[in-house]
Amino acid sequence: DAKTTQPDSMESTEGETVHLPCSHATISGNEYIYWYRQVPLQGPEYVTHGLQQNTTNSMAFLAIASDRKSSTLILTHVSLRDAAVYHCILSGQQGTGSKLSFGKGAKLTVSP
Amino acid sequence: NSKVIQTPRYLVKGQGQKAKMRCIPEKGHPVVFWYQQNKNNEFKFLINFQNQEVLQQIDMTEKRFSAECPSNSPCSLEIQSSEAGDSALYLCASSLSGGGQDTQYFGPGTRLLVL
Repeated sequence: DAKTTQPDSMESTEGETVHLPCSHATISGNEYIYWYRQVPLQGPEYVTHGLQQNTTNSMAFLAIASDRKSSTLILTHVSLRDAAVYHCILSGQQGTGSKLSFGKGAKLTVSP
Repeated sequence: NSKVIQTPRYLVKGQGQKAKMRCIPEKGHPVVFWYQQNKNNEFKFLINFQNQEVLQQIDMTEKRFSAECPSNSPCSLEIQSSEAGDSALYLCASSLSGGGQDTQYFGPGTRLLVL
């Protein structure tokens, strides 16, 4: 059972900033929030993750609500290469063997 | 960027045939996961290993699938008798510990088509 809720799709235009929302109202205290993206015929690509604090890297900024029940992946200056299905996933429990449970994800379309 | 290597990229088999695919995890990653992504883009966890030992596996994996991660050799996933419903993208991922704090990095996948 998916523990996160995302919109099915979002649209943007090259150069824009995109906010991809994710709701995870039943998140546990030790669960990390992971974001992956996937394009056709490829495996999921790691984007970012966080536990409580906002995080940033070369790919995206992850904003996590103070109650941790939602998060937003922010992509700045999107390009055509950012078009993908974005998955918001809660990691399993701490310790080894923590499998990921992917949902449908949100399909981001980027127009020229 | 992920350095997980999966071979072959494409595999075509007839029903009842064996199908075998391989995965080389990122260097230094002792935990390996196998997932199946079907034509509806739904993911299913199959099995995971730490070094050579199985950590978790689902029922389907126990019955028709076999997997191993021998020392100093690629990990492998083999379907003993392929069925049409096994047609899917098989993804291998590796991580340092498999815990929630360690990222799983995915390979490009092996796309299996069972005719």
